[in-house]
Amino acid sequence: QVQLVESGGGVVQPGKSLTLSCTASGFTFSSFGMHWVRQAPGKGLEWVAFIWFDASNKYYADSVKGRITISRDNSENTLYLQMNSLRAEDTAVYYCARERGSLGSGNHETDYWGQGTLVTVSS
Amino acid sequence: QSVVTQPPSASGTPGQRVTISCSGSSSNLGSNSVHWYQQLPGTAPKLLIFRNNQRPSGVPDRFSGAKSGTSASLAISGLQSEDEADYYCAAWDDSLNGVVFGGGTKLTVL
Repeated sequence: QVQLVESGGGVVQPGKSLTLSCTASGFTFSSFGMHWVRQAPGKGLEWVAFIWFDASNKYYADSVKGRITISRDNSENTLYLQMNSLRAEDTAVYYCARERGSLGSGNHETDYWGQGTLVTVSS
Repeated sequence: QSVVTQPPSASGTPGQRVTISCSGSSSNLGSNSVHWYQQLPGTAPKLLIFRNNQRPSGVPDRFSGAKSGTSASLAISGLQSEDEADYYCAAWDDSLNGVVFGGGTKLTVL
């Protein structure tokens, strides 16, 4: 069965860096685009970034552009989110999610989500 | 402030039909498919409706979606207590080059 497991969250000081990982199993990871979506405590969902199945294209929310990098290692079935210059407003649960359509055939809907990893930016 | 607008709350009694609206613009709902997610308390979101009106396998046919122009709606018929959750609409935005989520609607089953 499809599984996505995020890791790497924790408490980090403002201005510092953190890298999140999302380990995938149960499907051909290299065939699917992947997203990161975050949710601040008590708030709604906010899309963060998207990477094509072959990493040829990457897209970012304006709120994180220039500070966050999405990447993937298809040989390790792992998705990454490198976050730099962290701010208090980056505090959130970060979810990785798989696009429903393989090889870019979908409309960016996501059919499988991980359980999320909490990032807290605080001094 | 999200570029896609949903009512913050909705409610209904068991057995009722409830509709949740989602309003966007030409760059998102007007030119791309709308998807709906259900988030039960303390859990990750779940895909409920994709491509405006398609249900993933396992989603009851009590849930249905529709889209017209820059607006969309999610209808839940035969409301059940387990439907109490937050509901989000989402679409790709061609101007922002990213996914935009609505602010979410908290559904209460009275």
